[in-house]
Amino acid sequence: DTGVSQNPRHKITKRGQNVTFRCDPISEHNRLYWYRQTLGQGPEFLTYFQNEAQLEKSRLLSDRFSAERPKGSFSTLEIQRTEQGDSAMYLCASSSTASGNTIYFGEGSWLTVV
Amino acid sequence: AQRVTQPEKLLSVFKGAPVELKCNYSYSGSPELFWYVQYSRQRLQLLLRHISRESIKGFTADLNKGETSFHLKKPFAQEEDSAMYYCALNARAAGNKLTFGGGTRVLVKP
Repeated sequence: DTGVSQNPRHKITKRGQNVTFRCDPISEHNRLYWYRQTLGQGPEFLTYFQNEAQLEKSRLLSDRFSAERPKGSFSTLEIQRTEQGDSAMYLCASSSTASGNTIYFGEGSWLTVV
Repeated sequence: AQRVTQPEKLLSVFKGAPVELKCNYSYSGSPELFWYVQYSRQRLQLLLRHISRESIKGFTADLNKGETSFHLKKPFAQEEDSAMYYCALNARAAGNKLTFGGGTRVLVKP
């Protein structure tokens, strides 16, 4: 297992387009998280899942954002009608409640909205 | 709401000198504190957590509930310690998620 995997690693899109990011967590990790990070800032929590249930959503997650984890394994984060302010690094992370709940991060997906 | 503050954006030290990264938090409950590190071109990774009370790569951090601080220290910095360091808080009563500080870039000069 190579850790949390995210793709695409980089995405450039025009304003108004939709984008989708995929996250594959460490296998058997039941919790999956999405964070956003902009330059010079620490990661900000967006949402998290326990298995397939989305348990919490940040107020940062506007109606244009939707996250799913349909089978409790991989997750997708979709941004509709992208805006320039959506340009950021989107980080996925996972953890296991059965093994200490340490949160492991992926390498992130860079989004640039032009 | 919980908050984590790292007052220094950049710390520049010479190799062999001590380094201390400050972290202060605000949270009314019982927090769980972490330090994460991000080396150049690598993913964010856990450095240490306060409940472990261990030293990792020569770094230690003590939770001071009176001062609401969790400063990270290393007595003799090495060039390979150059990285971004993030302090994070897990407010367990508010769901299992991390609240991060803004990060401190450490540059260890030869």
